[in-house]
Amino acid sequence: AQKITQTQPGMFVQEKEAVTLDCTYDTSDQSYGLFWYKQPSSGEMIFLIYQGSYDEQNATEGRYSLNFQKARKSANLVISASQLGDSAMYFCAMSSGGGADGLTFGKGTHLIIQP
Amino acid sequence: ETGVTQTPRHLVMGMTNKKSLKCEQHLGHNAMYWYKQSAKKPLELMFVYSLEERVENNSVPSRFSPECPNSSHLFLHLHTLQPEDSALYLCASSQVFTREGPETQYFGPGTRLLVL
Repeated sequence: AQKITQTQPGMFVQEKEAVTLDCTYDTSDQSYGLFWYKQPSSGEMIFLIYQGSYDEQNATEGRYSLNFQKARKSANLVISASQLGDSAMYFCAMSSGGGADGLTFGKGTHLIIQP
Repeated sequence: ETGVTQTPRHLVMGMTNKKSLKCEQHLGHNAMYWYKQSAKKPLELMFVYSLEERVENNSVPSRFSPECPNSSHLFLHLHTLQPEDSALYLCASSQVFTREGPETQYFGPGTRLLVL
């Protein structure tokens, strides 16, 4: 069984600072994928970034980067130069190697960016 | 319309009512999913359809009944629900069995359901 752990229920960060959201995972699969989603108060889950278990380089998408440490089973999300619009819930999720698998989600981190 | 759409966005129903949630994806994907998001709990996978065939049912009570008439549409039929079924119901879609990139799931805006 897969498990995602997000240990930060909430975080307050000053605007323009970088922020790291923690995510650790547990799986017995050799091939898996790691995802981060953002959920504003409106409810929609917005895909941010993906990291495959066999990818040797950390994924980056604009201001988002994923700090992937496979041996430690961690996949932290780093947001550089935070903006007020980054305030939202952030969820780490994983899938197994392929096919129509559902995602296993963590409990999320509520990020609040302060001006 | 683009992406994944869901209707209605909000729904209030009594325990004896029958209602349906609708999801439509405009991404050309071949798999669709229903998730339940309750307060203070992680998202829970309810149903998966791949190539219009149901492939997973995570022990969901029979008062929830999914239907996938084609690869673009997914329904969740509700009947005799309980107050604890009040939650945000999210639909997602993805392209599976592809060699082009990850099988990322894209979500709709959700239906906020309140059962009285």
